[in-house]
Amino acid sequence: AQTVTQSQPEMSVQEAETVTLSCTYDTSESDYYLFWYKQPPSRQMILVIRQEAYKQQNATENRFSVNFQKAAKSFSLKISDSQLGDAAMYFCAHVQGGSEKLVFGKGTKLTVNP
Amino acid sequence: GAVVSQHPSRVICKSGTSVKIECRSLDFQATTMFWYRQFPKQSLMLMATSNEGSKATYEQGVEKDKFLINHASLTLSTLTVTSAHPEDSSFYICSASRQVGSPLHFGNGTRLTVT
Repeated sequence: AQTVTQSQPEMSVQEAETVTLSCTYDTSESDYYLFWYKQPPSRQMILVIRQEAYKQQNATENRFSVNFQKAAKSFSLKISDSQLGDAAMYFCAHVQGGSEKLVFGKGTKLTVNP
Repeated sequence: GAVVSQHPSRVICKSGTSVKIECRSLDFQATTMFWYRQFPKQSLMLMATSNEGSKATYEQGVEKDKFLINHASLTLSTLTVTSAHPEDSSFYICSASRQVGSPLHFGNGTRLTVT
């Protein structure tokens, strides 16, 4: 069974600084996708970034980037130049190739201090 | 803009009544939609996979007679919480993707309170 582990229940960062959120996963498949979703207090789930397992290059979206270590089954999210609006719950998620069934980690609550 | 619409956003009902929550894909057809439940300060827990034109697939521990799912068209799935009890109070979220491998788009969620 797939599992996704986020070992940091809470993290905090100073505005304009950089923070890294950790995520590890377990799968026996070679074809899969990984995602980071953000859930602000409004509780809307917002896609932050997506990584295909077959791609070696780490995905990047503006201030958000990932460190995808396939052999270690690690998928961390780096947020650069943190902004107050980045404060939210962040969920790491995994889906098998050929499936749409997302498995979520327990989440990391990110606080951004002014 | 939103690509998945969920309605209502909030509902309060009395114990013993049933509540229907709708999830619509706005600009694409979704043969599969998903229903999640989220308790306060916890992650999303998958309840069931809604399949257009066929029976939903429920996750272990989810009562199919309690949580009725109907996916009657390619753009609409409904979740009906039957004979609701206070312990059914929770945040329910639906999702759908344009195609396999694409990111899921989520509805805005429904906060259900059963009194």
